[in-house]
Amino acid sequence: DQQVKQNSPSLSVQEGRISILNCDYTNSMFDYFLWYKKYPAEGPTFLISISSIKDKNEDGRFTVFLNKSAKHLSLHIVPSQPGDSAVYFCAASDGNAGNMLTFGGGTRLMVKP
Amino acid sequence: ETGVTQTPRHLVMGMTNKKSLKCEQHLGHNAMYWYKQSAKKPLELMFVYSLEERVENNSVPSRFSPECPNSSHLFLHLHTLQPEDSALYLCASSQDYRGLYEQYFGPGTRLTVT
Repeated sequence: DQQVKQNSPSLSVQEGRISILNCDYTNSMFDYFLWYKKYPAEGPTFLISISSIKDKNEDGRFTVFLNKSAKHLSLHIVPSQPGDSAVYFCAASDGNAGNMLTFGGGTRLMVKP
Repeated sequence: ETGVTQTPRHLVMGMTNKKSLKCEQHLGHNAMYWYKQSAKKPLELMFVYSLEERVENNSVPSRFSPECPNSSHLFLHLHTLQPEDSALYLCASSQDYRGLYEQYFGPGTRLTVT
């Protein structure tokens, strides 16, 4: 039973437009959420995180939104650039249980020039 | 060298072989992790070490044996693997095991078991 799900395996967006990647979770004990980006032949790279005491965190072109009641988070990339093309993973942890991440299956983002 | 490094990057081994994967972190972190990513499956946590002590073992078969001789190095010893163990093995580190810290990943070892 997957506790973190990314229901869209792929997303295609035009350069300059907004990319919205979604993630749902089932474990109400999760209190820390992260997004990672992965290029081929590289390990995942940390992008942005949010703790459960917030509902939004912004870092440059990247914003993560957390809706605790819906157990849903999303990553917004504005404006999208061709270099953003990668696989994006959502991850979650229960800080009280240690820093063990549960990952979603990933969404492949393609940004077309 | 900076960040988290892993060697080898690619490994092909037979089912009767014994091999080891190596991970080194240059970040001064106290916690290290092994993950497995099989085709079309999410990353799965295998082992967690905090200050060289194993704190988590997620029901991993005994043919995978981790070793953490110090807080900068982590090994994964492999023996009598099965073809279904073919996957990308990723090492990660974080500042600590307790608390809200992001994990930094190495590039991974692509393992093929023939």
